[in-house]
Amino acid sequence: GESVGLHLPTLSVQEGDNSIINCAYSNSASDYFIWYKQESGKGPQFIIDIRSNMDKRQGQRVTVLLNKTVKHLSLQIAATQPGDSAVYFCAEIPSGGYNKLIFGAGTRLAVHP
Amino acid sequence: NAGVMQNPRHLVRRRGQEARLRCSPMKGHSHVYWYRQLPEEGLKFMVYLQKENIIDESGMPKERFSAEFPKEGPSILRIQQVVRGDSAAYFCASSPAGAADTQYFGPGTRLTVL
Repeated sequence: GESVGLHLPTLSVQEGDNSIINCAYSNSASDYFIWYKQESGKGPQFIIDIRSNMDKRQGQRVTVLLNKTVKHLSLQIAATQPGDSAVYFCAEIPSGGYNKLIFGAGTRLAVHP
Repeated sequence: NAGVMQNPRHLVRRRGQEARLRCSPMKGHSHVYWYRQLPEEGLKFMVYLQKENIIDESGMPKERFSAEFPKEGPSILRIQQVVRGDSAAYFCASSPAGAADTQYFGPGTRLTVL
């Protein structure tokens, strides 16, 4: 079936380094993608989104890249800080999917001082 | 501007009891979504509601689970005759009408079935 998956379950980085979290999706009909951050005991927090007619979108310290050719999504975090430690999920909304989010399994980002 | 509110935050039930989870969307939001999350897993869609209407319940188990979003009051996710496999975190999200793509999540209700 259609699914969203992640390459790496855990990513450890040094404070100040850049982080890259990857995501592969299989539904070529999806037209909207979102990255969420989830801290322990909390609900997912919206980080950044991108539509299928774009390749790149930048926010504050975060950049999302979309490669439709290989169905790949990535989240780049610049100058990673301890507060960035969390689980990161990519999610997609297939076109005509009544806005239900399809989440990947998540990547845990651990930032070390 | 209060975000999405869910209560209770933690709920403990014995097998066979009923669980009622409540969700108050953000002010001005008329779309509500429920998701379930097992430990170390991503969220799984359950149901999408608008005021007094169920739009998509394709993720809801066929038995024991129901959801409503009345004209007045919070959205309710009801689980009858709970079993241990129902133990999970249940998250509610809301979005404003006309911008249904951007979903904002509540803090979740963690259900434990003994």
